[in-house]
Amino acid sequence: EAGVTQFPSHSVIEKGQTVTLRCDPISGHDNLYWYRRVMGKEIKFLLHFVKESKQDESGMPNNRFLAERTGGTYSTLKVQPAELEDSGVYFCASSPQGTSGNKETQYFGPGTRLLVL
Amino acid sequence: AQKVTQAQTEISVVEKEDVTLDCVYETRDTTYYLFWYKQPPSGELVFLIRRNSFDEQNEISGRYSWNFQKSTSSFNFTITASQVVDSAVYFCALSDLISSGSARQLTFGSGTQLTVLP
Repeated sequence: EAGVTQFPSHSVIEKGQTVTLRCDPISGHDNLYWYRRVMGKEIKFLLHFVKESKQDESGMPNNRFLAERTGGTYSTLKVQPAELEDSGVYFCASSPQGTSGNKETQYFGPGTRLLVL
Repeated sequence: AQKVTQAQTEISVVEKEDVTLDCVYETRDTTYYLFWYKQPPSGELVFLIRRNSFDEQNEISGRYSWNFQKSTSSFNFTITASQVVDSAVYFCALSDLISSGSARQLTFGSGTQLTVLP
């Protein structure tokens, strides 16, 4: 079974540009989460999808960040326009739902390292 | 609000030594889940263990063991006979379930960088 995948692995952009990150969850996982870790700080929650619906977007820092999960499969996170403080590692995680024995566990992808210059 | 504290920022040990990573948590929920994740130099977050709040049994998996104590709100992680490959950042995290049965967001500690020297 393939794990969570993220693309790209690294991205270097200039301030003011747009970047789109993609996450493919584990097949069959209805829950998809985005987190980020900015330099030297803790891993912080951004938002949570259940299928294609946003369950919780309380962690989104501002309206420069837009997340979508059309069709309830993969998700994209767009940053537009990017600012210097957006630099960090963006992680995606997924988990099953309902009666699955592992519904409490989130499985993470390798992350996307974003550097805004 | 939930909070996870990992007071040890960095730990350095020599190979074959035992090492314990501390984790203290705060939550008002009566049912919750505790986790440990490992982040090796390659950067991915690797799931190690999940513990339910109603199960205080300690767990051992090979050289890894976990000590969960609700009375002190702690969930400590011990590596016995450490190896160089154990060098990584280790994160403790806390979560609960929403009504639909999905896991709610994880609250992470700040992580402990473990370096095992040969």
